[in-house]
Amino acid sequence: AQSVTQLDSHVSVSEGTPVLLRCNYSSSYSPSLFWYVQHPNKGLQLLLKYTSAATLVKGINGFEAEFKKSETSFHLTKPSAHMSDAAEYFCVVSQGNTPLVFGKGTRLSVIA
Amino acid sequence: GAVVSQHPSRVICKSGTSVKIECRSLDFQATTMFWYRQFPKKSLMLMATSNEGSKATYEQGVEKDKFLINHASLTLSTLTVTSAHPEDSSFYICSAPLRQGGDTQYFGPGTRLTVL
Repeated sequence: AQSVTQLDSHVSVSEGTPVLLRCNYSSSYSPSLFWYVQHPNKGLQLLLKYTSAATLVKGINGFEAEFKKSETSFHLTKPSAHMSDAAEYFCVVSQGNTPLVFGKGTRLSVIA
Repeated sequence: GAVVSQHPSRVICKSGTSVKIECRSLDFQATTMFWYRQFPKKSLMLMATSNEGSKATYEQGVEKDKFLINHASLTLSTLTVTSAHPEDSSFYICSAPLRQGGDTQYFGPGTRLTVL
Protein backbone atom coordinates (compact mmCIF):
# COMPACT_ATOMS: atom_id res chain seq x y z
CA ALA A 1 0.00 0.00 0.00
CA GLN A 2 1.08 3.53 -0.67
CA SER A 3 0.88 6.51 1.62
CA VAL A 4 2.06 10.07 1.76
CA THR A 5 2.81 12.20 4.81
CA GLN A 6 3.16 15.93 4.53
CA LEU A 7 4.90 16.88 7.70
CA ASP A 8 3.62 20.44 8.00
CA SER A 9 0.01 21.50 7.64
CA HIS A 10 1.03 25.17 7.42
CA VAL A 11 4.27 26.89 6.48
CA SER A 12 4.77 30.63 6.62
CA VAL A 13 7.72 32.39 5.01
CA SER A 14 8.69 35.94 4.22
CA GLU A 15 8.78 37.06 0.61
CA GLY A 16 12.22 36.48 -0.88
CA THR A 17 13.20 33.75 1.59
CA PRO A 18 13.53 30.04 0.78
CA VAL A 19 10.59 27.65 0.82
CA LEU A 20 10.76 24.07 2.10
CA LEU A 21 7.66 21.86 2.05
CA ARG A 22 8.31 18.38 3.41
CA CYS A 23 6.91 15.11 2.12
CA ASN A 24 7.62 11.50 3.05
CA TYR A 25 6.16 8.56 1.19
CA SER A 26 5.66 4.86 1.59
CA SER A 27 5.44 2.57 -1.43
CA SER A 28 6.02 -1.10 -2.11
CA TYR A 29 7.56 -0.52 -5.50
CA SER A 30 9.25 2.29 -7.37
CA PRO A 31 6.72 5.07 -7.16
CA SER A 32 5.97 8.09 -9.23
CA LEU A 33 5.86 11.21 -7.08
CA PHE A 34 4.23 14.53 -7.80
CA TRP A 35 3.72 17.94 -6.32
CA TYR A 36 0.53 19.78 -7.18
CA VAL A 37 -0.46 23.32 -6.25
CA GLN A 38 -4.00 24.52 -5.63
CA HIS A 39 -4.94 28.16 -5.41
CA PRO A 40 -8.17 29.06 -3.57
CA ASN A 41 -11.29 27.67 -5.26
CA LYS A 42 -9.24 26.40 -8.16
CA GLY A 43 -8.28 23.01 -9.53
CA LEU A 44 -4.87 21.45 -9.15
CA GLN A 45 -1.86 22.37 -11.24
CA LEU A 46 1.07 20.02 -11.70
CA LEU A 47 4.28 21.57 -10.41
CA LEU A 48 6.64 18.69 -11.07
CA LYS A 49 6.93 14.93 -11.09
CA TYR A 50 9.52 12.25 -10.44
CA THR A 51 9.41 9.02 -12.43
CA SER A 52 12.76 7.25 -11.74
CA ALA A 53 14.88 9.48 -13.93
CA ALA A 54 16.98 12.23 -12.37
CA THR A 55 16.54 12.46 -8.61
CA LEU A 56 16.52 16.26 -8.68
CA VAL A 57 13.41 17.36 -10.50
CA LYS A 58 12.85 20.90 -11.70
CA GLY A 59 9.32 22.16 -12.06
CA ILE A 60 7.46 25.29 -12.99
CA ASN A 61 7.70 28.65 -11.22
CA GLY A 62 11.18 27.95 -9.86
CA PHE A 63 10.20 24.97 -7.72
CA GLU A 64 12.24 21.82 -7.51
CA ALA A 65 12.16 18.61 -5.51
CA GLU A 66 14.71 15.96 -4.69
CA PHE A 67 13.86 12.28 -4.51
CA LYS A 68 15.80 10.59 -1.70
CA LYS A 69 15.11 6.89 -1.62
CA SER A 70 17.14 6.28 1.54
CA GLU A 71 15.01 8.82 3.39
CA THR A 72 11.78 8.05 1.48
CA SER A 73 11.41 11.80 1.02
CA PHE A 74 10.43 14.12 -1.79
CA HIS A 75 10.69 17.61 -0.33
CA LEU A 76 9.69 20.64 -2.39
CA THR A 77 11.92 23.71 -2.38
CA LYS A 78 12.17 27.15 -3.92
CA PRO A 79 15.06 29.55 -3.35
CA SER A 80 12.97 32.70 -3.07
CA ALA A 81 9.26 32.89 -2.29
CA HIS A 82 6.90 35.20 -4.16
CA MET A 83 3.54 36.43 -2.92
CA SER A 84 1.91 34.50 -5.75
CA ASP A 85 3.25 31.24 -4.31
CA ALA A 86 0.75 31.40 -1.46
CA ALA A 87 -1.47 28.36 -2.00
CA GLU A 88 -2.12 24.78 -0.91
CA TYR A 89 0.48 22.23 -1.95
CA PHE A 90 -0.15 18.50 -2.26
CA CYS A 91 2.43 15.74 -2.41
CA VAL A 92 1.08 12.76 -4.34
CA VAL A 93 2.29 9.20 -4.96
CA SER A 94 1.27 6.83 -7.72
CA GLN A 95 2.21 3.46 -9.11
CA GLY A 96 1.30 2.94 -12.75
CA ASN A 97 -2.39 3.41 -13.37
CA THR A 98 -3.49 3.05 -9.76
CA PRO A 99 -5.40 6.00 -8.32
CA LEU A 100 -3.34 8.82 -6.93
CA VAL A 101 -2.74 8.94 -3.19
CA PHE A 102 -2.72 12.46 -1.82
CA GLY A 103 -1.04 13.91 1.20
CA LYS A 104 -3.17 16.09 3.44
CA GLY A 105 -1.71 19.25 1.99
CA THR A 106 0.50 22.07 3.22
CA ARG A 107 -0.77 25.61 3.18
CA LEU A 108 1.97 28.04 2.25
CA SER A 109 1.62 31.62 3.40
CA VAL A 110 3.98 34.30 2.10
CA ILE A 111 4.41 37.42 4.19
CA ALA A 112 5.33 40.69 2.56
CA GLY B 1 -0.23 20.86 -21.58
CA ALA B 2 -3.40 18.82 -21.46
CA VAL B 3 -6.58 20.65 -20.55
CA VAL B 4 -9.50 19.34 -18.55
CA SER B 5 -12.61 21.46 -18.13
CA GLN B 6 -15.53 21.21 -15.74
CA HIS B 7 -18.99 22.67 -15.98
CA PRO B 8 -20.49 24.33 -14.10
CA SER B 9 -17.83 25.96 -11.98
CA ARG B 10 -20.33 26.77 -9.30
CA VAL B 11 -23.87 25.58 -8.61
CA ILE B 12 -26.39 26.27 -5.89
CA CYS B 13 -29.42 24.03 -5.63
CA LYS B 14 -32.27 23.19 -3.31
CA SER B 15 -32.27 20.10 -1.17
CA GLY B 16 -33.82 17.14 -2.99
CA THR B 17 -32.85 18.19 -6.49
CA SER B 18 -30.26 16.52 -8.70
CA VAL B 19 -27.19 18.20 -10.09
CA LYS B 20 -25.07 17.13 -13.05
CA ILE B 21 -21.40 18.05 -13.30
CA GLU B 22 -19.51 17.59 -16.55
CA CYS B 23 -15.83 16.82 -16.97
CA ARG B 24 -14.27 17.12 -20.41
CA SER B 25 -10.82 16.43 -21.75
CA LEU B 26 -10.41 19.20 -24.32
CA ASP B 27 -7.38 18.16 -26.33
CA PHE B 28 -6.96 14.47 -25.64
CA GLN B 29 -9.02 11.35 -25.22
CA ALA B 30 -9.47 9.80 -21.82
CA THR B 31 -10.79 6.29 -21.41
CA THR B 32 -10.46 6.75 -17.66
CA MET B 33 -11.35 9.75 -15.55
CA PHE B 34 -11.35 10.18 -11.80
CA TRP B 35 -13.76 12.03 -9.56
CA TYR B 36 -12.63 13.55 -6.28
CA ARG B 37 -14.35 15.37 -3.47
CA GLN B 38 -12.63 17.99 -1.38
CA PHE B 39 -13.94 19.32 1.90
CA PRO B 40 -12.88 22.80 3.10
CA LYS B 41 -9.20 22.92 4.04
CA LYS B 42 -8.89 19.20 3.41
CA SER B 43 -7.19 16.97 0.90
CA LEU B 44 -8.83 15.31 -2.07
CA MET B 45 -10.78 12.13 -1.53
CA LEU B 46 -11.13 9.78 -4.50
CA MET B 47 -14.79 8.97 -5.05
CA ALA B 48 -14.76 6.84 -8.16
CA THR B 49 -13.01 5.87 -11.35
CA SER B 50 -15.02 6.55 -14.48
CA ASN B 51 -14.48 4.10 -17.32
CA GLU B 52 -15.56 4.79 -20.89
CA GLY B 53 -17.93 2.10 -22.06
CA SER B 54 -18.30 0.34 -18.74
CA LYS B 55 -19.47 0.90 -15.18
CA ALA B 56 -17.65 3.20 -12.84
CA THR B 57 -15.62 1.80 -9.98
CA TYR B 58 -16.57 3.36 -6.65
CA GLU B 59 -14.36 3.71 -3.62
CA GLN B 60 -15.44 2.16 -0.36
CA GLY B 61 -18.07 4.22 1.40
CA VAL B 62 -19.22 6.12 -1.71
CA GLU B 63 -22.87 5.50 -2.56
CA LYS B 64 -23.14 4.58 -6.21
CA ASP B 65 -26.86 5.34 -6.31
CA LYS B 66 -26.20 8.75 -4.86
CA PHE B 67 -23.34 9.71 -7.13
CA LEU B 68 -24.14 8.51 -10.63
CA ILE B 69 -21.26 8.46 -13.07
CA ASN B 70 -21.59 8.14 -16.82
CA HIS B 71 -18.59 8.11 -19.14
CA ALA B 72 -20.46 8.88 -22.33
CA SER B 73 -17.53 9.33 -24.69
CA LEU B 74 -13.76 9.43 -24.79
CA THR B 75 -13.82 13.10 -23.80
CA LEU B 76 -16.76 13.37 -21.40
CA SER B 77 -17.61 12.02 -17.98
CA THR B 78 -20.53 13.23 -15.90
CA LEU B 79 -21.18 13.05 -12.18
CA THR B 80 -24.79 13.42 -11.09
CA VAL B 81 -25.49 14.07 -7.45
CA THR B 82 -29.00 12.72 -6.96
CA SER B 83 -31.43 14.03 -4.37
CA ALA B 84 -28.80 16.38 -3.05
CA HIS B 85 -28.67 17.29 0.63
CA PRO B 86 -26.69 19.97 2.44
CA GLU B 87 -24.06 17.41 3.46
CA ASP B 88 -23.31 16.89 -0.23
CA SER B 89 -22.07 20.47 -0.44
CA SER B 90 -18.43 20.27 -1.42
CA PHE B 91 -15.82 20.98 -4.08
CA TYR B 92 -15.86 18.28 -6.75
CA ILE B 93 -12.82 17.83 -8.97
CA CYS B 94 -12.22 15.51 -11.89
CA SER B 95 -8.97 14.40 -13.44
CA ALA B 96 -7.78 12.40 -16.40
CA PRO B 97 -4.47 10.85 -17.39
CA LEU B 98 -3.02 12.03 -20.67
CA ARG B 99 -2.77 8.46 -21.88
CA GLN B 100 -4.19 5.12 -20.83
CA GLY B 101 -2.25 3.84 -17.85
CA GLY B 102 -0.33 7.06 -17.51
CA ASP B 103 0.53 8.25 -14.04
CA THR B 104 0.29 12.00 -14.63
CA GLN B 105 -3.17 13.33 -13.99
CA TYR B 106 -4.54 16.59 -15.32
CA PHE B 107 -7.18 18.16 -13.16
CA GLY B 108 -10.26 20.14 -13.96
CA PRO B 109 -10.81 23.50 -12.22
CA GLY B 110 -13.41 22.04 -9.91
CA THR B 111 -17.13 22.56 -9.27
CA ARG B 112 -18.35 24.17 -6.07
CA LEU B 113 -21.70 22.62 -5.09
CA THR B 114 -23.82 24.27 -2.45
CA VAL B 115 -27.04 22.58 -1.41
CA LEU B 116 -29.47 24.75 0.51
